[in-house]
Amino acid sequence: EVQLVESGGGLVKPGGSLRLSCAASGFTFSSYSMNWVRQAPGKGLEWVSSISSSSSYIYYADSVKGRFTISRDNAKNSLYLQMNSLRAEDTAVYYCARVVATMVRGVINYYFDYWGQGTLVTVSS
Amino acid sequence: DIQLTQSPSFLSASVGDRVTITCRASQGISSYLAWYQQKPGKAPKLLIYAASTLQSGVPSRFSGSGSGTEFTLTISSLQPEDFATYYCQQLNSYPRFTFGPGTKVDIK
Repeated sequence: EVQLVESGGGLVKPGGSLRLSCAASGFTFSSYSMNWVRQAPGKGLEWVSSISSSSSYIYYADSVKGRFTISRDNAKNSLYLQMNSLRAEDTAVYYCARVVATMVRGVINYYFDYWGQGTLVTVSS
Repeated sequence: DIQLTQSPSFLSASVGDRVTITCRASQGISSYLAWYQQKPGKAPKLLIYAASTLQSGVPSRFSGSGSGTEFTLTISSLQPEDFATYYCQQLNSYPRFTFGPGTKVDIK
């Protein structure tokens, strides 16, 4: 059974740092790109960052670029998000999600098939 | 960046109703669209990908259609467990896979 379990959330002051982890099990972690998606309280979903299976390709949303760093350890089946210079607007539930690439009607399609339960990050003084 | 809009943002419906949600993209995205269902306090759940392909295990009352800039999610006969918020997601501009603002389906 595929499982993604996030941890590391909590209360942090503005300007502070936090490191989120996502422990994966039930699949070959090293074969999949992974993403972080966040959801501010009462708001919609926001894509945050993506990392390819071998960490060769890394991307960030403009809202976190230069402050957040995504990484992974395939030997430990783990995904990470290092968050620095945190702001009040970073307050959200952070989800890790697996990306699948599959052929549909002769074209590669992507989708997020498994998500963790989320971890809450609260940035407040 | 590709922007997604959803309509309506909120709808009130009864069990057994046919429900249709529309997602529009600011530019053509072919069929690179997915739909998710999210219940309060839970992670999103994939319903449909590639605009119209039903994810394994998802009831057949859910269906998706569309291509280019306009897409629809239809629930043929709303069930009590379907009351939730639904999000579309574009997967055209890899890997910046933006989401729509969501449509909340509530009980009438």
